[in-house]
Amino acid sequence: RKEVEQDPGPFNVPEGATVAFNCTYSNSASQSFFWYRQDCRKEPKLLMSVYSSGNEDGRFTAQLNRASQYISLLIRDSKLSDSATYLCAVNGGATNKLIFGTGTLLAVQP
Amino acid sequence: DAGVIQSPRHEVTEMGQEVTLRCKPISGHDYLFWYRQTMMRGLELLIYFNNNVPIDDSGMPEDRFSAKMPNASFSTLKIQPSEPRDSAVYFCASSKTEGTPEAFFGQGTRLTVV
Repeated sequence: RKEVEQDPGPFNVPEGATVAFNCTYSNSASQSFFWYRQDCRKEPKLLMSVYSSGNEDGRFTAQLNRASQYISLLIRDSKLSDSATYLCAVNGGATNKLIFGTGTLLAVQP
Repeated sequence: DAGVIQSPRHEVTEMGQEVTLRCKPISGHDYLFWYRQTMMRGLELLIYFNNNVPIDDSGMPEDRFSAKMPNASFSTLKIQPSEPRDSAVYFCASSKTEGTPEAFFGQGTRLTVV
């Protein structure tokens, strides 16, 4: 089993739609969780950290479920500019070893 | 800060040649990661360092790959000899222990082995 797993998609949604991504992780000792965004032929960039209490940044909401070992990302009112690959990342518990999922491709259609 | 700096941005080499990729992490960051990204396998962690010391190299595919970090501001990833299946984008990233340990990425090196 992979340490971090994501549905690769693609997710094709119309503008204005709400879309949700999930990511599961296997290491129960993991402490830090992140969502990254990667545009085509660019490097991954941090979108948001995921806190135990959940956190929101504008149209983006991230949540953590430790009991079921998954994190989620919700995008509301999706824009064309949201089209990208979204990667979840989980650190390895006692160390800062950062493992990424394979990414989920989102395509927002006009 | 200039961010994580990688060189070269693109590298095309012939099978069997030695390839050296370079990375300068963000000043003050004590963790450095080397990742490889392909369509088939996604973003794979190859090796990471803490305070210039290799901590986990279990992701290094085989002995042809080696990485060093001689000081806090420089790291190399070497492939010798290179093979066509090594073609990928290689990313370097750095993070720090204090605060939220998110990693910041360089722009990557796109390697093509022909």
